[in-house]
Amino acid sequence: DTEVTQTPKHLVMGMTNKKSLKCEQHMGHRAMYWYKQKAKKPPELMFVYSYEKLSINESVPSRFSPECPNSSLLNLHLHALQPEDSALYLCASSRGQFNTEAFFGQGTRLTVV
Amino acid sequence: QQQVKQSPQSLIVQKGGISIINCAYENTAFDYFPWYQQFPGKGPALLIAIRPDVSEKKEGRFTISFNKSAKQFSLHIMDSQPGDSATYFCAAGLSGSARQLTFGSGTQLTVLP
Repeated sequence: DTEVTQTPKHLVMGMTNKKSLKCEQHMGHRAMYWYKQKAKKPPELMFVYSYEKLSINESVPSRFSPECPNSSLLNLHLHALQPEDSALYLCASSRGQFNTEAFFGQGTRLTVV
Repeated sequence: QQQVKQSPQSLIVQKGGISIINCAYENTAFDYFPWYQQFPGKGPALLIAIRPDVSEKKEGRFTISFNKSAKQFSLHIMDSQPGDSATYFCAAGLSGSARQLTFGSGTQLTVLP
């Protein structure tokens, strides 16, 4: 099973809303990632978690708050987003943070209105 | 140093033809070179990957050619099919780096029936 599952698939939220994106993997991977992808652009790394601890924050605004409750789950809490934050948010995982073979989820298409 | 340049930006091929996408990198420390295939609204899917100790890797209709001295690698899709129409991203990874992958800018491939 090489599946990374993300929910919801689509999300529309207002600028004052609070919402969360969820990601789950059962491959025993110990590194998980959040990426942001705008249309016709490559994915951009946002956060890296290794063994449930935040390893890298690529200077992401605080309105994005990641959380890793356990080794299989990764959340991204969203608050007071801007319309320019509308994008496809991708979760990925790998065996370890220094293992380069990454598997991506289907993504959550986020629209901020 | 970390950039990966991908060309062409878009490619149109007839069914049965060969699709070729090229990437060039600068950082000689990169040691993992994957290609991802992404359909609209979906997450990137790992297609094929190569490490610098080999010059070519073939999986079905997909072949990676790697030229270490030129710091270039390419994806060849033989007998291209309309179902191959997607965006292809090359990437370069550095074992030991938690930042995972540096992506190319993407190539939108259209295979005409």
